[in-house]
Amino acid sequence: AQSVTQLGSHVSVSEGALVLLRCNYSSSVPPYLFWYVQYPNQGLQLLLKYTSAATLVKGINGFEAEFKKSETSFHLTKPSAHMSDAAEYFCAVSGTYNTDKLIFGTGTRLQVFP
Amino acid sequence: KAGVTQTPRYLIKTRGQQVTLSCSPISGHRSVSWYQQTPGQGLQFLFEYFSETQRNKGNFPGRFSGRQFSNSRSEMNVSTLELGDSALYLCASNGGTGAYNEQFFGPGTRLTVL
Repeated sequence: AQSVTQLGSHVSVSEGALVLLRCNYSSSVPPYLFWYVQYPNQGLQLLLKYTSAATLVKGINGFEAEFKKSETSFHLTKPSAHMSDAAEYFCAVSGTYNTDKLIFGTGTRLQVFP
Repeated sequence: KAGVTQTPRYLIKTRGQQVTLSCSPISGHRSVSWYQQTPGQGLQFLFEYFSETQRNKGNFPGRFSGRQFSNSRSEMNVSTLELGDSALYLCASNGGTGAYNEQFFGPGTRLTVL
């Protein structure tokens, strides 16, 4: 069985500040892990993915995440927030044998203040 | 290349009615997955079709069904609508044949059940 827990349904940061969105996973098989972003009235866009290669993964828009097996974590970070980063972010997991079924966390809404 | 398209974008129905939603995948993609997004339950996997066959299924009642056509377009149907079926329904497509297949999401169909 697989599951994802996102700590904090809302995160607020000032423009230029560090963004840290937390994700912990549980998986009975080696996982693939993903971060998606959703802007209002839009679908999901893939930010980055971990598929058992490098544990530090760089994505689009300056985001990156580090896979830590010992902590079962895959936290998303960005060194300097931009107003355009305001959106909802979802962490997701799939099994390496069934990548077509994504299990999502409950999402974290990021607000960026000027 | 055109992205995943979903029609209609918005739909209003009443309890007891049935509804059909349509998804056209990215050209060349053979796998289509459906997800339900609600404020209470978050993003939940409904089912996935590959080459006209249901390959994965989530934990939804039999009122939720789908199919895929030979051109990879997919439809999902919900019969005997309930108020709790109000949600954003997202469709995602991928190539379907590799070890890892990135999911590309459409903008969704927002269904309101009155």
